[in-house]
Amino acid sequence: EDKVVQSPLSLVVHEGDTVTLNCSYEVTNFRSLLWYKQEKKAPTFLFMLTSSGIEKKSGRLSSILDKKELSSILNITATQTGDSAIYLCAPNSGGYQKVTFGTGTKLQVIP
Amino acid sequence: GAVVSQHPSRVICKSGTSVKIECRSLDFQATTMFWYRQFPKQSLMLMATSNEGSKATYEQGVEKDKFLINHASLTLSTLTVTSAHPEDSSFYICSAGTSGGDNEQFFGPGTRLTVL
Repeated sequence: EDKVVQSPLSLVVHEGDTVTLNCSYEVTNFRSLLWYKQEKKAPTFLFMLTSSGIEKKSGRLSSILDKKELSSILNITATQTGDSAIYLCAPNSGGYQKVTFGTGTKLQVIP
Repeated sequence: GAVVSQHPSRVICKSGTSVKIECRSLDFQATTMFWYRQFPKQSLMLMATSNEGSKATYEQGVEKDKFLINHASLTLSTLTVTSAHPEDSSFYICSAGTSGGDNEQFFGPGTRLTVL
């Protein structure tokens, strides 16, 4: 059975802090790992990672995959209150773009 | 990015009734769509994979006779919750992927189902 574990489960930081969110996975036929941000409704796509060691960046967010360690991290620098959300990691395994979601990390950024 | 819509966004129904939720890919064709369920404070759980023109593939523990999925066209998949009960109250989300080998999935806005 596929497993995805995210840590920490929740996190409260002050604006301007830097946070690192962790994701570890055990899935069969791993193809890629996706990160999503979920606010009040459905998740929105952040990153797709397929190769180890190659950092993907989007503004203050960056992410990297370690296939040897079966893990990924998501970094957010200079956090803002708008970053408050649940961040979901989702490895894609097998065909048909099937993904398995982790429990998520709930991030709260306070002014 | 690609747009996926869901309808309705919110539905309240009586126990024992059936509810149909639509998922549409608005600007792309999706041979495969996915249906997820999310209970409060929990992550998204994949219920089934909906394949255009063929039967859906259900995850373990999901009753196929209770959650009927129809993927009649490349832009529409429907999920019908039959004989709904209060424990079926949840947030149902669909997603679809674009063609071309990319694994990115685009999510619909979700449907909040409340069964009284």
